Amino acid sequence: DAMVIQNPRYQVTQFGKPVTLSCSQTLNHNVMYWYQQKSSQAPKLLFHYYDKDFNNEADTPDNFQSRRPNTSFCFLDIRSPGLGDAAMYLCATSTTVSTDTQYFGPGTRLTVL
Amino acid sequence: GQNIDQPTEMTATEGAIVQINCTYQTSGFNGLFWYQQHAGEAPTFLSYNVLDGLEEKGRFSSFLSRSKGYSYLLLKELQMKDSASYLCAVVDSNYQLIWGAGTKLIIKP
Repeated sequence: DAMVIQNPRYQVTQFGKPVTLSCSQTLNHNVMYWYQQKSSQAPKLLFHYYDKDFNNEADTPDNFQSRRPNTSFCFLDIRSPGLGDAAMYLCATSTTVSTDTQYFGPGTRLTVL
Repeated sequence: GQNIDQPTEMTATEGAIVQINCTYQTSGFNGLFWYQQHAGEAPTFLSYNVLDGLEEKGRFSSFLSRSKGYSYLLLKELQMKDSASYLCAVVDSNYQLIWGAGTKLIIKP
């Protein structure tokens, strides 16, 4: 049974057209993360939530926003996608932000035309 | 700055043994993870080391030397399904997870 679910698996959008990616979890974990991963590169942390506390990485562009309406769901909003935002977006969860294992969803591959 | 170094790509033969190395320079250390990532899929957890030494888990083992800033992942009895990228990630003193770019492992028959 899937524990971290991401929808859609593939998303195509147009340059500048807002897009929302979704993530849900059945693990009841406190922490949810959003990563961006480009081909053959390390995952890049965009931000994470510890419960309702939002933690933005210093180098995450303002174009990327997130919402966590409840424990189970977290959304990634890209307000004006550029060609450089085409990537795999990974959602992950963990019980705390310390040394706990992160559990990843299958990812959403975003294409920007 | 913080840095994780892994070889970009390695090739090995089915049934053989391969060792994937990871060296790190980070501000503090609170553990090291290895994740497996098949092409187009999400990373999945393999191992976590925080103390020096070897941790064995079936065909996979992970070694850590904190004094040398070094870890390796050892894969035995390689199978074709082991073809994947292997990501090393270190937890720093701020409990941030610092990721390496991964080692792409190609298994040949």
